[in-house]
Amino acid sequence: AQSVTQLGSHVSVSEGALVLLRCNYSSSVPPYLFWYVQYPNQGLQLLLKYTSAATLVKGINGFEAEFKKSETSFHLTKPSAHMSDAAEYFCAVSDQIGNQFYFGTGTSLTVIP
Amino acid sequence: EPEVTQTPSHQVTQMGQEVILRCVPISNHLYFYWYRQILGQKVEFLVSFYNNEISEKSEIFDDQFSVERPDGSNFTLKIRSTKLEDSAMYFCASSVRGRGTEAFFGQGTRLTVV
Repeated sequence: AQSVTQLGSHVSVSEGALVLLRCNYSSSVPPYLFWYVQYPNQGLQLLLKYTSAATLVKGINGFEAEFKKSETSFHLTKPSAHMSDAAEYFCAVSDQIGNQFYFGTGTSLTVIP
Repeated sequence: EPEVTQTPSHQVTQMGQEVILRCVPISNHLYFYWYRQILGQKVEFLVSFYNNEISEKSEIFDDQFSVERPDGSNFTLKIRSTKLEDSAMYFCASSVRGRGTEAFFGQGTRLTVV
């Protein structure tokens, strides 16, 4: 079975500081991993995805994530936070068998000016 | 840019009433999904739909739920007799293919059962 754990339901960073949002997954088969962002009153927008190619994945808006199999992690980072990054971030996993996503509980990112 | 659209954005209904949540997936997508998010909880998978039939469903998707693609463009979720615990944000999503491809999500319908 697949599952995702996001550590920290709320993260606050200063504008210009490093953003680190943590995601650990559990999967009995090689996973596909995704980060989605949700801005207020909007749907889920794909930030980036890992599908067994390069382990360091670059996404939109300067975000990137690294797949570490040994740590079963897929943490999301951004070198310098911007005010517009304030949103809810969801990590999700799917496998190569089914086609459903398993989401984490989400991390709310606040950027302090 | 193509997007998944959902209507209405907010629906209030009385317990026991039937509701239909509507979605227009991206036109060339073949896989369609419904997810829900109860306030403060995870986004949970309900059902996936491909080739005019349900391909997967979760244990949440019991007999009170049904899905339909009535006209080749809309994708609907029907809840026959709503309960208070059905109050949630319901997200529709679609993808070009199934396994491993990203899903594109709509903005959600907030269902409030009173």
